[in-house]
Amino acid sequence: EDQVTQSPEALRLQEGESSSLNCSYTVSGLRGLFWYRQDPGKGPEFLFTLYSAGEEKEKERLKATLTKKESFLHITAPKPEDSATYLCAVGDSGNTGKLIFGQGTTLQVKP
Amino acid sequence: ETGVTQSPTHLIKTRGQQVTLRCSSQSGHNTVSWYQQALGQGPQFIFQYYREEENGRGNFPPRFSGLQFPNYSSELNVNALELDDSALYLCASSSGRIRSAGELFFGEGSRLTVL
Repeated sequence: EDQVTQSPEALRLQEGESSSLNCSYTVSGLRGLFWYRQDPGKGPEFLFTLYSAGEEKEKERLKATLTKKESFLHITAPKPEDSATYLCAVGDSGNTGKLIFGQGTTLQVKP
Repeated sequence: ETGVTQSPTHLIKTRGQQVTLRCSSQSGHNTVSWYQQALGQGPQFIFQYYREEENGRGNFPPRFSGLQFPNYSSELNVNALELDDSALYLCASSSGRIRSAGELFFGEGSRLTVL
C-alpha cells in the first residue's frame, strides 16, 4: 500500500536556525514526489516536484532533495514568514491522478 | 488569470442532511480533484474529474459524489451527512498534463461542520 510519513510532526526554530524536514515514502512506482506549503485556514500551495533519486530543487531558503526512500526539505536561515505546515505527497502508483499526502510538519520560526 | 475559488467558505449542517460544495477551476485547467482534510491531518483524495468524466476515486463511500461541467467547474455532493464528515474540503485544479499531474492549484477550501 502506498504510504507517506513525515517527521517531525512539529518543529520550532529560532530565526536563522537551519534544519530539515523528513518525508519517507513507500510506493510501488514513484510518479513524482511533491512538496506543498499550507498556511492556517488556507489551501496548500505547490512548492516542488521531484522525480528521480538525486534530484534537487531550490526556492529561496528552501531546498528539496530526493532519495529512493525519502525526501528532505532543508530550510536555511529561516525567517518567521516561513512558519507554516509543510506537506509531502507522492503520486498514486495506480495512475488515478491521486496524490497521497503525509500528515505534515508544522514549522514555527520565532524571531 | 483567476485562481481556484470555492464556495461556500464555511457552513454548518446537521446529521442526515445533504450538502453541495462548488469550485471554479483556474483558467486553462481541465482537471479537478477534491480532497478532504481533517484537523491536523494531510488531505485525503476523494475523486478527480477530467473533461467531465470521473478519473479516479479514493476510499470514500458512494454518498460522496461529484460533477464537472463543460466550463470545468465542479461540484462535490455529500448525502446523509455524518459527524465524521466535518472537515475542510479542498478543490484543486491542474492542467491535465502527465508531467505536471501533481502540481495542483488549491482553493482555500470549504469548512464543513456537521452537528
